[in-house]
Amino acid sequence: GDSVTQMEGPVTLSEEAFLTINCTYTATGYPSLFWYVQYPGEGLQLLLKATKADDKGSNKGFEATYRKETTSFHLEKGSVQVSDSAVYFCALRSQGGSEKLVFGKGTKLTVNP
Amino acid sequence: GAVVSQHPSWVICKSGTSVKIECRSLDFQATTMFWYRQFPKQSLMLMATSNEGSKATYEQGVEKDKFLINHASLTLSTLTVTSAHPEDSSFYICSASPGGQLLREQYFGPGTRLTVT
Repeated sequence: GDSVTQMEGPVTLSEEAFLTINCTYTATGYPSLFWYVQYPGEGLQLLLKATKADDKGSNKGFEATYRKETTSFHLEKGSVQVSDSAVYFCALRSQGGSEKLVFGKGTKLTVNP
Repeated sequence: GAVVSQHPSWVICKSGTSVKIECRSLDFQATTMFWYRQFPKQSLMLMATSNEGSKATYEQGVEKDKFLINHASLTLSTLTVTSAHPEDSSFYICSASPGGQLLREQYFGPGTRLTVT
């Protein structure tokens, strides 16, 4: 079945450091790919998404490019802030009519001032 | 917009009792609602999908008689954990989708922490 693998955390960075969180997937066809963020005490929020190969999703300085050849959707940010501290989830939605999302295990990011 | 609430945010109950968790879409009508379970340091695992007015579709391995899901209106779904046991302790998260091909986004609630003693 479909699956998502993302890098193990936790990740600790200093403010203004570069961030990469790796995400790879296994799925048939062309799934849609997502990054969700969960701030402490809050629900998951959609951070960005890409629905076809070579699409780049971006939001709040975060970017991720849908790479079909490497089945990857790595999350990057050039300069993180303390307020970016959260848990980040990579997810996919299979091609076709299903609404179901498949999530990775999540990566906790802590940014220190 | 697109706010989903859950109630309660946390609950402690004794083993053998039943607990009901509510999920509401506050500013949109949710054709479909989803219930997830999240263990510490683990991914969200989909438990079931419910469409308003019809029976929920449960994922493989999820006990239908233990986790009762009702989606009686376009803004409310409930999850009842029946005869709860300590192994049911977990973080339960719902999401809601307005539905339709162009509106397949899922909006997530803040979750409910269940502790069974």
